[in-house]
Amino acid sequence: GESVGLHLPTLSVQEGDNSIINCAYSNSASDYFIWYKQESGKGPQFIIDIRSNMDKRQGQRVTVLLNKTVKHLSLQIAATQPGDSAVYFCAEMRGNKLVFGAGTILRVKS
Amino acid sequence: NAGVTQTPKFRVLKTGQSMTLLCAQDMNHEYMYWYRQDPGMGLRLIHYSVGEGTTAKGEVPDGYNVSRLKKQNFLLGLESAAPSQTSVYFCASSSGDWDEQFFGPGTRLTVL
Repeated sequence: GESVGLHLPTLSVQEGDNSIINCAYSNSASDYFIWYKQESGKGPQFIIDIRSNMDKRQGQRVTVLLNKTVKHLSLQIAATQPGDSAVYFCAEMRGNKLVFGAGTILRVKS
Repeated sequence: NAGVTQTPKFRVLKTGQSMTLLCAQDMNHEYMYWYRQDPGMGLRLIHYSVGEGTTAKGEVPDGYNVSRLKKQNFLLGLESAAPSQTSVYFCASSSGDWDEQFFGPGTRLTVL
């Protein structure tokens, strides 16, 4: 697959544990945020989004938390599974364009 | 539905050669995008289109041209390839600004 993970921060978790992936954004005017998952050799896949009028949003096994005061976004994955191993990107909407962060590698140990 | 498809999957060019990457979507989406992804970096927007016949520059447009002659297709052209354009290129489409973007599988381009 494509080597898109060089020099990215890496989070290693044991299968079954919870994972927390963090992201800092820079533009206080950004009002829409998205988490994407990218598996090796594939394009990014939408996981969950949140708008700035919310602090928390839950999906299936995933939760996104938004702290606008410190411009911080986090993705929590419950009961992490081997299939969760991937690179995770946060993205913020600036105007009408998505701006992506560099990504975090999640490795799940069995 | 095939979703978003990209051709080719891989390509090697020599400096100065030209090529066109094709993106097709069958979801009737108005918006389409071209991104590039380099090691250790997130995706960067090259060009985008908000409808048939329209195109606009993204964050890193230099060295690329695009065309959206049909709603379902978005073409990315490199007129004179340079080694700095070695990258993985992703196409995406969405219904609108704040709607989920669906990505294609990517094209790995190497310019020697």
